[in-house]
Amino acid sequence: QSVLTQPPSASGTPGQRVTISCSGSSSNIGSNNVHWYQQFPGTAPKLLIYRNNQRPSGVPDRFSGSKSGSSASLAISGLRSEDEADYYCVAWDDSLSESVFGTGTRVTVL
Amino acid sequence: EVQLVESGGGLVKPGGSLRLSCAASGFTFRNARMNWVRQAPGKGLEWVGRIKSKGDGGTTDSAAPVKGRFTISRDDSKNTLYLQMNSLKSEDTAVYYCVGPGPSGTYMAFWGKGTTVTVSS
Repeated sequence: QSVLTQPPSASGTPGQRVTISCSGSSSNIGSNNVHWYQQFPGTAPKLLIYRNNQRPSGVPDRFSGSKSGSSASLAISGLRSEDEADYYCVAWDDSLSESVFGTGTRVTVL
Repeated sequence: EVQLVESGGGLVKPGGSLRLSCAASGFTFRNARMNWVRQAPGKGLEWVGRIKSKGDGGTTDSAAPVKGRFTISRDDSKNTLYLQMNSLKSEDTAVYYCVGPGPSGTYMAFWGKGTTVTVSS
């Protein structure tokens, strides 16, 4: 089972701000960087945020990441219909010597 | 442009073996830390394992569910990553993705389109 916990779903209306949490422990998020991915059905994931709060080129600044202690968050501001997708966090776990993914959050635009 | 193309997936019986390949281009493969990630039907992402560059020791790490059954290797002369899967179980059924690093670090950045492995009798 996943070591990082995310809410199974999140939703908002167009233009709203949605926040997705990723809860871990001192051995993963608490001591390592968190990265976030966006995945549409039937396609490969795409890197959205790396090193907690860095955006790769081409990712809109509507997407932002933060980390505090053993938790991290992904925020989507100005929600758009094309943001409907699954979102995953990941971090290295020092105790397991493994990368651990979050459980995933499906974002729905109402 | 970074390209990662997986191949080798298919249908295999429980207890069988399969070798996946990932052909890489568009970046300096020999310096790259490479990962395998899988996704079972209707499920979330699961990290399978990684291999460091030879310059970084060339060592591998694997997830607990596949340790002792799956082996990750690389051929830098062919810019190719491999995943040897033995003693396959039904729960190994998934799409397997090859993932390469970002331009400024070792984090998982670029993903291939994936190859499907089905373990069934």
